[in-house]
This record gives sequence, structure tokens and C-alpha cells, in this order.
Amino acid sequence: DAGVIQSPRHEVTEMGQEVTLRCKPISGHDYLFWYRQTMMRGLELLIYFNNNVPIDDSGMPEDRFSAKMPNASFSTLKIQPSEPRDSAVYFCASSLERGGSKNIQYFGAGTRLSVL
Amino acid sequence: GQSLEQPSEVTAVEGAIVQINCTYQTSGFYGLSWYQQHDGGAPTFLSYNALDGLEETGRFSSFLSRSDSYGYLLLQELQMKDSASYFCAVRERERGSSNTGKLIFGQGTTLQVKP
Repeated sequence: DAGVIQSPRHEVTEMGQEVTLRCKPISGHDYLFWYRQTMMRGLELLIYFNNNVPIDDSGMPEDRFSAKMPNASFSTLKIQPSEPRDSAVYFCASSLERGGSKNIQYFGAGTRLSVL
Repeated sequence: GQSLEQPSEVTAVEGAIVQINCTYQTSGFYGLSWYQQHDGGAPTFLSYNALDGLEETGRFSSFLSRSDSYGYLLLQELQMKDSASYFCAVRERERGSSNTGKLIFGQGTTLQVKP
């Protein structure tokens, strides 16, 4: 399996622009997670889905952030409008539903976002 | 709420043994995991403890004591490539839900291995 695939790997944009991050989870995985990582705040869970249904979005910073999972093989995280404080590395991860497998999350390579 | 505490930095020399501790406070505990992240890379899974005791995987071992809400990651025969950040994470039940897919990560411990 190719693992979790994220695109783009790097994104540089100007404040106020819309940013869309994409993720393809590992085939057959039931959970999909979006994280944001910064030096100051560490690894923060933004939102996660179970079988394409959003379960917990309490980590989404504000209304400028939205996430969708239209099918089992694709998810997007959108920021509109973007702000400089959104600059971070955004990771997507997926895992299986079964028992202890829930503890094993497979992370994508991340998208490094810079908002100027 | 939930919280995890781990040291921010640890330094050790090549060939040595190092222990990274993690204490947690959470409800509905379902296991303690450890992840490794090299600078510029993605977190990768190392080990998982659901029950008390020691789990060994090669040079790495992980320990859990549920009664003490405490665990540790033990790295033996340290190599330069072990220089990375190490995160402990707990799995817990969502409030008002049977869903237990969420992991809460600690702030990470940066391990520096010196020659």
C-alpha cells in the first residue's frame, strides 16, 4: 500500500486566500484524522471521521476551517480566508477500527503551509 | 479533561539506555501508544500498551502501569538515528459516545543522541 497520501506537500499563499489540503487514507481504514503541528502548540487534533462521518470537530480553530470526507478514499481540509497564524504543518492520518489497531495511526507526509 | 506530561528534552550518548516517561490524566483509558517523529518527517507508530507490563520490540520497549497512570519508553543501545521527538498518546472514549478512535498526544520529548 502507498500509505496515506497528502497533497500538496508545500503550499505558500497570501493572507486572505483560500487553501485546500487533500488526503487519501489507506484503503480499508475506517478512521481519518486531521492534525496541525506547530512549535508552540505541538500536535493538535483538528477533526476526525469514522466511516466518512465527522465525529469530533472540537479542535477546529474557527469557522474559517472546514473539512469534508465525501467518500472513503478522499478528504479535504479547507481554510478560507487564510491568515498568517494558520502557518503550520498539517498532517492527515488514518487507522483501522478493530480493537488495538485503533492505537496505530498512519500519518501522511504532511503539508507545510505558509501564509504570508 | 485529559492531559499528558512528558519531559521536553532528553540527551544521551550513543550506546546508552534512555527512558522517556509519560504520565497521563484521562477518562475511559484504552491504551498508551508511542510515536517517533524525525525532524521534518511524519509521526510513526512505535508501540502500544493496553495492559500493565512491558512490551519489547527490538531495541525499544514500552511499559505501562494503569494504577499509576504512568508509562515509559525505553530505548537501548542508542544510535545517532534515534535522535528524534517521541510522543506518548492515550486513547479515550468520546463523551456521550461509544467511539474510541481518538488519540490525545503529549507535547513530545526531543531526544538528542551525542557521539
